[in-house]
Amino acid sequence: AQKVTQAQTEISVVEKEDVTLDCVYETRDTTYYLFWYKQPPSGELVFLIRRNSFDEQNEISGRYSWNFQKSTSSFNFTITASQVVDSAVYFCALSEAQTGGFKTIFGAGTRLFVKA
Amino acid sequence: EAGVAQSPRYKIIEKRQSVAFWCNPISGHATLYWYQQILGQGPKLLIQFQNNGVVDDSQLPKDRFSAERLKGVDSTLKIQPAKLEDSAVYLCASSLARGAYGYTFGSGTRLTVV
Repeated sequence: AQKVTQAQTEISVVEKEDVTLDCVYETRDTTYYLFWYKQPPSGELVFLIRRNSFDEQNEISGRYSWNFQKSTSSFNFTITASQVVDSAVYFCALSEAQTGGFKTIFGAGTRLFVKA
Repeated sequence: EAGVAQSPRYKIIEKRQSVAFWCNPISGHATLYWYQQILGQGPKLLIQFQNNGVVDDSQLPKDRFSAERLKGVDSTLKIQPAKLEDSAVYLCASSLARGAYGYTFGSGTRLTVV
């Protein structure tokens, strides 16, 4: 069954601290895709990254980095030197193939507060 | 590039009334999705279109929800009659194709049913 778990409901940090958002997924497929989205207070979900199941290389984009470990079914997201503008809800998502295309499900989200 | 447009931004209706939401995806995006996001939860897929055909509507409450995508471009989502538990943000998203690409989301319509 397809499932995404984001165990951290809310995280609060002080500006410039590093923070890691956890994501654990369940799937029976060998081919799947993982995503992270950011939802700022304006409400619009913003795509951050996509990873396919065959690529376990970690990725870094500026202050953002992602750690994909198939052995633990985790796809964690780290923000280095957090800033107030990073305050948002972050969603992890999993896509699996189905008849007609791919089906994407989202985790419940982690709300990040970054205090000045 | 223009983003995904949705309207209205907010809507308040009484239970048992009807409501419709509109979405205009990014030009050229063949795949369109409607998601329901209840406060404090992640988005839940209601329906997925590929051009003007339905790919997945398994989680759409068909007794009260309907959606269409005429001509494979704009889409409307309707609720009739609305229930209190339909209060949520309705998000429209689009992507280039049916593959597992990142979606572009609109700002959503916040529906309050009283």
